[in-house]
Amino acid sequence: EVQLVESGGGLVKPGGSLRLSCAASGITFSYMWMTWVRQAPGKGLEWVGRIKSKIDGGTTDYAAPVKGRFTISRDDSKNTLYLQMSSLKTEDTAVYYCSTLGYSVTRSYDDWGQGTLVTVSS
Amino acid sequence: DVVMTQSPDSLAVSLGERATINCKSSQSVSCSSDNKNCLAWLQQKPGQPPKVLIYWASTRESGVPDRFSGSGSGTDFTLTISSLQTEDVAVYYCQQYYNLPWTFGQGTKVEIK
Repeated sequence: EVQLVESGGGLVKPGGSLRLSCAASGITFSYMWMTWVRQAPGKGLEWVGRIKSKIDGGTTDYAAPVKGRFTISRDDSKNTLYLQMSSLKTEDTAVYYCSTLGYSVTRSYDDWGQGTLVTVSS
Repeated sequence: DVVMTQSPDSLAVSLGERATINCKSSQSVSCSSDNKNCLAWLQQKPGQPPKVLIYWASTRESGVPDRFSGSGSGTDFTLTISSLQTEDVAVYYCQQYYNLPWTFGQGTKVEIK
């Protein structure tokens, strides 16, 4: 059974930093492209960014609102995905989900954590 | 960015009746020579993460009941629930994966009338 468990959320002041972690089990993590999606309270889903597997280059892509402030990384030896967030703004307040979300010719990838809440407030 | 617009924002349907949700993309999300469209439908129940129901616009995810179906191509897509059940109460999102950044529609809330 696939499990993705996020941690590291909490209350942070505007301008502050926070690092989220996502521990994966039940999947061959090193092969997976991993994605962060966020959801502001009572709002819809927003793609934050993704990281490819190292075998596919390990590169990252980001949504415009977070580019230059957020960094996605991975430690395949620990089966863990990270989201380093800096220069946080109130509009970054959201539940952050890590996911394997992706689509191939023959299947979709649809594993999600339960999310971790980040609140940016003074 | 590809803007995804869903309609309606919410709908209430009687048990056993049909629910139809529309999704329009600001540009074509047709992504291959074999008529595939890079469009997925996700369901999110209260307090839960989303779940993929449909991808390639019309391919049902394994385990998804066949009352859920997706159709459309280019810029216009539809999710149909043929016979609404209690467990289908949720918010439904369309999502394009034609190009980055992946974008979602604003969501359609489905309730029981």
